[in-house]
Amino acid sequence: NAGVTQTPKFQVLKTGQSMTLQCAQDMNHEYMSWYRQDPGMGLRLIHYSVGAGITDQGEVPNGYNVSRSTTEDFPLRLLSAAPSQTSVYFCASSYSPEGGHEQYFGPGTRLTVT
Amino acid sequence: GENVEQHPSTLSVQEGDSAVIKCTYSDSASNYFPWYKQELGKGPQLIIDIRSNVGEKKDQRIAVTLNKTAKHFSLHITETQPEDSAVYFCAAIPGYSSASKIIFGSGTRLSIRP
Repeated sequence: NAGVTQTPKFQVLKTGQSMTLQCAQDMNHEYMSWYRQDPGMGLRLIHYSVGAGITDQGEVPNGYNVSRSTTEDFPLRLLSAAPSQTSVYFCASSYSPEGGHEQYFGPGTRLTVT
Repeated sequence: GENVEQHPSTLSVQEGDSAVIKCTYSDSASNYFPWYKQELGKGPQLIIDIRSNVGEKKDQRIAVTLNKTAKHFSLHITETQPEDSAVYFCAAIPGYSSASKIIFGSGTRLSIRP
């Protein structure tokens, strides 16, 4: 049982480039989400999904797209990278979309945009 | 919407002493309060949580207290050990709504001095 896995661990992009951050979970969780972590700002929700085929925006969705074609995978796409997207990105999953349950986080992807 | 404030942002304590981290929240509808621990280079991991029908919860050296009237909750770590060094996040959520409503505090970096 690998839990939540993320690839890559580190990435450097030039402004304007696009890329996809991969996230997968093997716990059959319904709920998956993407956060970004910036110094002094905690974790902010980018996008989330309550099941395959269903996604919605979080607090800071601009510049990012998501899709959820399977229960296991929830990739995050940066359409045209900007320096403001330099951050650490975490994917998380929870067995239920309800709020009172533990979220399991992946190890993170550290992204630098130059 | 919900707002969660966390203090202090950094905390250094002598090994064996106690550490206390405090959070306040604004939404009286919040009823689920998890605490996450993030070790260097890893994703956050749930260490303890409390629901609004409980005033205190303990798990070995870790305890959380909740004062619903004052809208604040605290994490207490007793007999601190080097492995307690990490960043700690509090969070609040209306427990019966979507997990997407969770709001995290800005984090406390705890250092344990040998």
